[in-house]
Amino acid sequence: EIVLTQSPGTLSLSPGERATLSCRASQSVGSSSLAWYQQKPGQAPRFLIYGSSSRATGIPDRFSGSGSGTDFTLTISRLEPEDSAVYYCQHYGSSPPTWTFGQGTRVEIK
Amino acid sequence: QVQLVQSGGEVKKPGASVKVSCKASGYTFTGYYIHWVRQAPGQGLEWMGWINPNSGATDYAQRFQGRVTMTRDTSMSTAYVELSRLRSDDTAVYFCARSRITNYYYFMDVWGKGTTITVSS
Repeated sequence: EIVLTQSPGTLSLSPGERATLSCRASQSVGSSSLAWYQQKPGQAPRFLIYGSSSRATGIPDRFSGSGSGTDFTLTISRLEPEDSAVYYCQHYGSSPPTWTFGQGTRVEIK
Repeated sequence: QVQLVQSGGEVKKPGASVKVSCKASGYTFTGYYIHWVRQAPGQGLEWMGWINPNSGATDYAQRFQGRVTMTRDTSMSTAYVELSRLRSDDTAVYFCARSRITNYYYFMDVWGKGTTITVSS
């Protein structure tokens, strides 16, 4: 079973700064099966990125995804106060069908 | 608009069962898988399994095998998850989410607001 490890655990940055979040898979995975979500306290997760690098409808272009193989990155280019949240990466594996989430990275805005 | 509306929170005793519903609207119910994902207090997201509303076929995460049952009622565009033999560590928010029935991109694009299940004696 593939394990997704996210780092850092917490990122504390100021508005306007760049945030770089890492998601590392325990073995190589297909980019098409890697997605990212944002979750604010008391809310359901919000879908951000699919296929490693494609933004979901309505997601601001300051959010971008990249990576392949075992290393994937979510970048928030210019942080805004509303970006304070926990971010999760997710992978789908087909044998057996399994959806796996990373443990999350908390982004705090100073 | 596309939405998933979940049933209300419940308090259950250890050993009991709970059934949570997820009503879909604004799209073709049988065109998307319904997933169940839970989140214990202060913890991350945990996938429990999915159901194909078209066929009724299911896949469950290994750790829930034997304790979880996912069903659907296509006439009501509603999916259900039932968890039996509840323990205190089943206390969590239970989310339903949809993903397109596809064999390329895999993501959950619409989520319900969540149902809080508390297991306590």
